[in-house]
Amino acid sequence: DTGVSQDPRHKITKRGQNVTFRCDPISEHNRLYWYRQTLGQGPEFLTYFQNEAQLEKSRLLSDRFSAERPKGSFSTLEIQRTEQGDSAMYLCASSLGDTKDRANYGYTFGSGTRLTVV
Amino acid sequence: QKEVEQDPGPLSVPEGAIVSLNCTYSNSAFQYFMWYRQYSRKGPELLMYTYSSGNKEDGRFTAQVDKSSKYISLFIRDSQPSDSATYLCAMSVYNFNKFYFGSGTKLNVKP
Repeated sequence: DTGVSQDPRHKITKRGQNVTFRCDPISEHNRLYWYRQTLGQGPEFLTYFQNEAQLEKSRLLSDRFSAERPKGSFSTLEIQRTEQGDSAMYLCASSLGDTKDRANYGYTFGSGTRLTVV
Repeated sequence: QKEVEQDPGPLSVPEGAIVSLNCTYSNSAFQYFMWYRQYSRKGPELLMYTYSSGNKEDGRFTAQVDKSSKYISLFIRDSQPSDSATYLCAMSVYNFNKFYFGSGTKLNVKP
């Protein structure tokens, strides 16, 4: 297993276009998280899944944002009608939820998808 | 007020120095604490994970949590130029739920 994979690494889009990002978590991880990071800031929580169920969504996730994890494996994050304020790094992370194995605590992040809206 | 406050730096130290990085927080319910290292244009990499108060050591890294003061620290001994990165603290009320991140401290270790 090579860790958390995100695709594409970079995306440049025109304002008003729709974009979709993909995240492939570590295969045995049942929890998957999306975060957004802007320059000079720490990651901000967007949403997370346990298996295919979306358990929590941030207020940051406006109606233009939707995330899915249809089979409890990979996840997609779609942004409709992109705005310049959506320009950021979108980070995906995964973890083993509800484990008693302390060696498996914490998230593993992917390298992110950098979105630029022009 | 942000949930987690972290001095953005930059912090510049000579190679071999002991580095102290800190975060303060406002939510007394936080009980899970992490430190991440992030190189430019890369995803964060988990360094340390601690639960509740106390110290945890891993190689050159020591994490401390003082819940009474709502203050956490990361110490790096014998700092190396390869430690130059942004260090993010993160914390959560419940394990494996959402974490709240600080804005990161940029560290530069000069050879």
